[in-house]
Amino acid sequence: QKEVEQDPGPLSVPEGAIVSLNCTYSNSAFQYFMWYRQYSRKGPELLMYTYSSGNKEDGRFTAQVDKSSKYISLFIRDSQPSDSATYLCAMVPAGNTGKLIFGQGTTLQVKP
Amino acid sequence: GAVVSQHPSWVICKSGTSVKIECRSLDFQATTMFWYRQFPKQSLMLMATSNEGSKATYEQGVEKDKFLINHASLTLSTLTVTSAHPEDSSFYICSAWGSGQGTGSYTFGSGTRLTVV
Repeated sequence: QKEVEQDPGPLSVPEGAIVSLNCTYSNSAFQYFMWYRQYSRKGPELLMYTYSSGNKEDGRFTAQVDKSSKYISLFIRDSQPSDSATYLCAMVPAGNTGKLIFGQGTTLQVKP
Repeated sequence: GAVVSQHPSWVICKSGTSVKIECRSLDFQATTMFWYRQFPKQSLMLMATSNEGSKATYEQGVEKDKFLINHASLTLSTLTVTSAHPEDSSFYICSAWGSGQGTGSYTFGSGTRLTVV
């Protein structure tokens, strides 16, 4: 079993839709949770990071963490064609400034 | 914000030759550099972790003699693919974590697409 599971998609939605992206994990030591966006042939770009359970909002993006269920989500409101990319969740254990553990990535396509 | 400059963005080389990829942190000191490899439609696979002035730590299955990593300064790390073969063709990405940055601020380079012919 992978430490972090993420549905690879692809996910196709119409412009303006609300998008929900999810990851589950098995390691209860994970404390820091991140979402990255990666456009084709580019490096990942940090979108959101959260610590512990709860919600965090930034513009059209909301990150949600449920540690009891070992489940994290990223919501995108009013999706735009420019949001079309691969979204990667990543996690780090508490007190560890070491390697990120990535999910497989979900490919999102927002159609005009 | 923090920026990591990665060069070249793409390179084509002949089988048997070596290729060097550079990552520079432009506005912070990168105490730790991570090197990843990514195949099409797959996630990032960590190859090695290097701390400035120390030998790199390689992940299981990664040949340290083939993928040479140098992190001699706080702003520069290099990955050299030695005696490259077609199976080394991939997308290589660096990520830096440095002083002054908290967790969640891993900064990625823009990636290098290597094609070995």
